[in-house]
Amino acid sequence: GAVVSQHPSRVICKSGTSVKIECRSLDFQATTMFWYRQFPKQSLMLMATSNEGSKATYEQGVEKDKFLINHASLTLSTLTVTSAHPEDSSFYICSAVRVRTASNEKLFFGSGTQLSVL
Amino acid sequence: KQEVTQIPAALSVPEGENLVLNCSFTDSAIYNLQWFRQDPGKGLTSLLLIQSSQREQTSGRLNASLDKSSGRSTLYIAASQPGDSATYLCAVELQAGTALIFGKGTTLSVSS
Repeated sequence: GAVVSQHPSRVICKSGTSVKIECRSLDFQATTMFWYRQFPKQSLMLMATSNEGSKATYEQGVEKDKFLINHASLTLSTLTVTSAHPEDSSFYICSAVRVRTASNEKLFFGSGTQLSVL
Repeated sequence: KQEVTQIPAALSVPEGENLVLNCSFTDSAIYNLQWFRQDPGKGLTSLLLIQSSQREQTSGRLNASLDKSSGRSTLYIAASQPGDSATYLCAVELQAGTALIFGKGTTLSVSS
């Protein structure tokens, strides 16, 4: 089955540093990837839609200058949390869209990244 | 705006019991509905996916139903086991290839 690889799985960093999270589709090309954030005991909330070769679309309330998304190739999207602060500590997870035909699309999820900012 | 609600938020049962998890959504115009399992600090495992034209899906001890007109889905777990302990998430996809909208989940604890 299709696999989406997400790294790192866990990261601890100091306040003020930047953290990059990678999401790779290993055996299919993904023109669209989604980034979610999940706070403890909360639902997964969509942060942004990453489109290959174009700017990401951010959900309301998500700072685009703080959460930088780059989708430079059809198999890789990165999320960079810039100048991270303790309130950015959360579980981040990506998903990629695999398109086989116009009526056959499926979402695959990465394994998630637990970010802890000290 | 589509909202997904899951009831109960938490559930504790003894091993062997059959149980039902509930999910409701406010807009019946969905493309599909999925149930996921999430273990603490881990990613998502897709359990069952029901297309909007379907009424139910089964996999092993799991059965998911969908009543699109009433905006409801249930996940039935038969003969629960301690290994079933996890958070179960319900999510709807509004259109093909779009982001999923998740509920907050039901955290299940099965005691031996």
